[in-house]
Amino acid sequence: EAQVTQNPRYLITVTGKKLTVTCSQNMNHEYMSWYRQDPGLGLRQIYYSMNVEVTDKGDVPEGYKVSRKEKRNFPLILESPSPNQTSLYFCASSQPRQPQHFGDGTRLSIL
Amino acid sequence: AQSVAQPEDQVNVAEGNPLTVKCTYSVSGNPYLFWYVQYPNRGLQFLLKYITGDNLVKGSYGFEAEFNKSQTSFHLKKPSALVSDSALYFCAVYNFNKFYFGSGTKLNVKP
Repeated sequence: EAQVTQNPRYLITVTGKKLTVTCSQNMNHEYMSWYRQDPGLGLRQIYYSMNVEVTDKGDVPEGYKVSRKEKRNFPLILESPSPNQTSLYFCASSQPRQPQHFGDGTRLSIL
Repeated sequence: AQSVAQPEDQVNVAEGNPLTVKCTYSVSGNPYLFWYVQYPNRGLQFLLKYITGDNLVKGSYGFEAEFNKSQTSFHLKKPSALVSDSALYFCAVYNFNKFYFGSGTKLNVKP
């Protein structure tokens, strides 16, 4: 089954404790992306990757890092999380310029 | 600056009546346009896209969208709403390798 898998689905943590949200896709897609969803703001793109070792900033990259060492994986790293990064996060993948396939989301709470 | 606007936070319609969810955009160049639907606790699901060609695009579950270049709009429509259409709908634009999403419109279809 074609899917985008994110882990964990839920995480409660504390300010400053490094965390990683994993994302994996099994569709051999070149384009992968991370978004955060906040009420009234819709989805905002954090980072995207056009292919292995090619990443670029989206609209809200501050406080986040990503890497793309393999085509299927695109982890999101928060080196020093802060409460304003409490949000619902989505990973997505597609071929370039095609509709994105989304994971089921990660609800992150930072205390 | 690139932006997507969904002017209505919520749309209420009776089952069997036609529905319209509005979207306007402000981007340079010739963007790709998309509509997605989100059900509770799930990721976004692709409904339809416009790249070029006919201004009326047909998509999944009986939805269609009308592209209007002069008004920079891409409104989502359905001739006869179902209660099961109740969900959160997002308009999105792909331009220069990035995705831009609207703030979302909650569609309520009442029996």
